[in-house]
Amino acid sequence: AQSVTQPDIHITVSEGASLELRCNYSYGATPYLFWYVQSPGQGLQLLLKYFSGDTLVQGIKGFEAEFKRSQSSFNLRKPSVHWSDAAEYFCAVGGSNNNDMRFGAGTRLTVKP
Amino acid sequence: DAGITQSPRHKVTETGTPVTLRCHQTENHRYMYWYRQDPGHGLRLIHYSYGVKDTDKGEVSDGYSVSRSKTEDFLLTLESATSSQTSVYFCAISASTGEDRETQYFGPGTRLLVL
Repeated sequence: AQSVTQPDIHITVSEGASLELRCNYSYGATPYLFWYVQSPGQGLQLLLKYFSGDTLVQGIKGFEAEFKRSQSSFNLRKPSVHWSDAAEYFCAVGGSNNNDMRFGAGTRLTVKP
Repeated sequence: DAGITQSPRHKVTETGTPVTLRCHQTENHRYMYWYRQDPGHGLRLIHYSYGVKDTDKGEVSDGYSVSRSKTEDFLLTLESATSSQTSVYFCAISASTGEDRETQYFGPGTRLLVL
């Protein structure tokens, strides 16, 4: 069965610093990969997704992610973090079956002024 | 944002009582899902629907039932609520075709407390 690991439960970065959130997945076939962001008390908003093609994917709010098949990773990056980026971030992996999606446990991002 | 609403947004109930949560969409999407979110677990699929009257179980379906009598509405019922069902419940939808078939869009969530 597929699974997703987000190794970092909580990360703190200073405003303006770069950010990388890690995601490792296990999936038997070609994965569809997603990053979602959740602000407190809100639903999940899609940041970006990877289905095929260019392994560097651009998303909303200045985020990007890189798919590395050899490392089974899909890490999320942002060159300069803003205070409004403080939230919880979820990586997810899915496939051609709609009931297959699995989520990581999430990484909570705190941004220091 | 995808047109998804959930009601109620907050609910407090007592152990043993039935509870129904409603998800309503205005996107005419075929697929609808119910997840629960618990600390340390991310989101886990409870049930999903692939059309009117077509539903199936997810990873954590015990103690839950669902119904879908119209494309736009997907109901989640806790027949007899237990404290272990205290959670935040999210509804999601996805389209029938194309890349969006694999992309799920989420509602705002319902926070349920079972005392």
